[in-house]
Amino acid sequence: RKEVEQDPGPFNVPEGATVAFNCTYSNSASQSFFWYRQDCRKEPKLLMSVYSSGNEDGRFTAQLNRASQYISLLIRDSKLSDSATYLCAGGSQGNLIFGKGTKLSVKP
Amino acid sequence: NAGVTQTPKFQVLKTGQSMTLQCAQDMNHNSMYWYRQDPGMGLRLIYYSASEGTTDKGEVPNGYNVSRLNKREFSLRLESAAPSQTSVYFCASSEWDSNEKLFFGSGTQLSVL
Repeated sequence: RKEVEQDPGPFNVPEGATVAFNCTYSNSASQSFFWYRQDCRKEPKLLMSVYSSGNEDGRFTAQLNRASQYISLLIRDSKLSDSATYLCAGGSQGNLIFGKGTKLSVKP
Repeated sequence: NAGVTQTPKFQVLKTGQSMTLQCAQDMNHNSMYWYRQDPGMGLRLIYYSASEGTTDKGEVPNGYNVSRLNKREFSLRLESAAPSQTSVYFCASSEWDSNEKLFFGSGTQLSVL
């Protein structure tokens, strides 16, 4: 059983929409959580760290719910340039497990 | 600012051939990692090195060996390539702490025929 699960999508949304991704993890000992963005045929790039208190970076908000063992990413006012695959990741030192990714397509 | 550099970017091998994927980072990170990414499987950890001189197996280590040559360099070797090793390989590095953010190289597309 994959330790980090996320909806593979694709999510097809119009520009300006708000889109939410969720990701569940099974290892309650996981300490660190992240969202990565991966463009087609490119390497994953760190988008945000995820904290229990929630954190926001512009149009992006990430949240960690330890009790329910899930993390979320909210993208507001989506742009065409947000089209990519979003990977959640969770784990501990030396063992960061990635979800399979959720593909987002933002249409004009 | 190079970050994490991987070579080669593309490689085609015949079954049974060997090769080494090279990775170097210039961010003075302690930890380095090798992942493979396959369609429908996501990123899977092959090996990692918490610090110079140490290496540990990840989720899918079979068929691979690694060498942490120094703090900057971490190589991945396929001794006898198999078609099942066709994949995109990513090297990554991070600081070894509780909030280890990974920084990835641009990847190596490997095809084993």
